[in-house]
Amino acid sequence: AQSVTQLGSHVSVSEGALVLLRCNYSSSVPPYLFWYVQYPNQGLQLLLKYTSAATLVKGINGFEAEFKKSETSFHLTKPSAHMSDAAEYFCAVIDPSGSARQLTFGSGTQLTVLP
Amino acid sequence: DGGITQSPKYLFRKEGQNVTLSCEQNLNHDAMYWYRQDPGQGLRLIYYSQIVNDFQKGDIAEGYSVSREKKESFPLTVTSAQKNPTAFYLCASKSGSSYNSPLHFGNGTRLTVT
Repeated sequence: AQSVTQLGSHVSVSEGALVLLRCNYSSSVPPYLFWYVQYPNQGLQLLLKYTSAATLVKGINGFEAEFKKSETSFHLTKPSAHMSDAAEYFCAVIDPSGSARQLTFGSGTQLTVLP
Repeated sequence: DGGITQSPKYLFRKEGQNVTLSCEQNLNHDAMYWYRQDPGQGLRLIYYSQIVNDFQKGDIAEGYSVSREKKESFPLTVTSAQKNPTAFYLCASKSGSSYNSPLHFGNGTRLTVT
């Protein structure tokens, strides 16, 4: 069965500092991986996705994530945090060989950006 | 602009009453989904539909029902059998059957049952 773990339910960074949000997955085969962002009282927006074409994936708003098979990780980074990055971030996985074939979401990481 | 519309944004009901949440999309997507979001638990799949007149239970379908009579619409009914209905409900859709197609989300309905 596929699963995804997001380490740290809350992360705080200073404006201009590096953002690192951690995601580890469990899947029997190389999965498809996604990062979504949710602003308060809104739906989720896709930040980026990994589909095996390249291990370093660039997304919107300056975010990127690197797929590391040896570490079963797909951490999200941004070199310099902006106040507008404050939101909740969700990692999600889908195992293309699984019977469910639906996205499984992590429990989310709330990012706070301090002035 | 194309998108997913969920209404109402806030909904209040008394315990024991059924309530229906609306979800309409004009993206021409075949697949539609309902998720429930609770603090610290991420999103959990309630029901999904990959084609008109067909739908499947997700991980937490008990106490919920859906219909898919039109491609554009996928309403969710929260019945009185749902033990803890207060939550934020998100509707989503996806084009095609490819695994790596991203989900498009509505802005959610926050349901409060007292």
